[in-house]
Amino acid sequence: EDQVTQSPEALRLQEGESSSLNCSYTVSGLRGLFWYRQDPGKGPEFLFTLYSAGEEKEKERLKATLTKKESFLHITAPKPEDSATYLCAVQGPHDYKLSFGAGTTVTVRA
Amino acid sequence: KAGVTQTPRYLIKTRGQQVTLSCSPISGHRSVSWYQQTPGQGLQFLFEYFSETQRNKGNFPGRFSGRQFSNSRSEMNVSTLELGDSALYLCASSDRDRGTEAFFGQGTRLTVV
Repeated sequence: EDQVTQSPEALRLQEGESSSLNCSYTVSGLRGLFWYRQDPGKGPEFLFTLYSAGEEKEKERLKATLTKKESFLHITAPKPEDSATYLCAVQGPHDYKLSFGAGTTVTVRA
Repeated sequence: KAGVTQTPRYLIKTRGQQVTLSCSPISGHRSVSWYQQTPGQGLQFLFEYFSETQRNKGNFPGRFSGRQFSNSRSEMNVSTLELGDSALYLCASSDRDRGTEAFFGQGTRLTVV
């Protein structure tokens, strides 16, 4: 069974203080690893898809990287509007279901 | 392009009742998946429909069912509601032909009392 572990559970940052979120995964044959952002009471918002080790994707202050066992989401010089829960999910080779981690809740103080 | 639309946004039901939730995917997307999100269990996969056929099912009891129509719209039904069914139910659509990303709706918040 696919397993996804995210750390830390919560992260409190000062505005401008860069940090990284970790997503460790176990899947037999990765089809894709996905990062989502979720605001309270809303559905997850798609951020990135990573397919193979060594791949990197960037969007504004966010950068996602992938190795064979884990992915990192780097937040550079965060702003208060980056406060959200960040979810990591993996997709195996045999179907299209997503297996999610528990998420990292990021709070950025001004 | 309109996003994934879920209706209703909020529902309050009594234990033992049944409920039907609706999802309209992004235009052109033929794959619709359903997820349950709770504080204790996080996001868990319920089932996926593609071209009107259920392709995959998660580890949920038979009280949870779904269907997909020819226009790709999907419904999920929960019968004999239990207090533990209170959750945010999320629908996601994807275009299998162009990629595997799933785009989520805003969800339906179901409260069972």
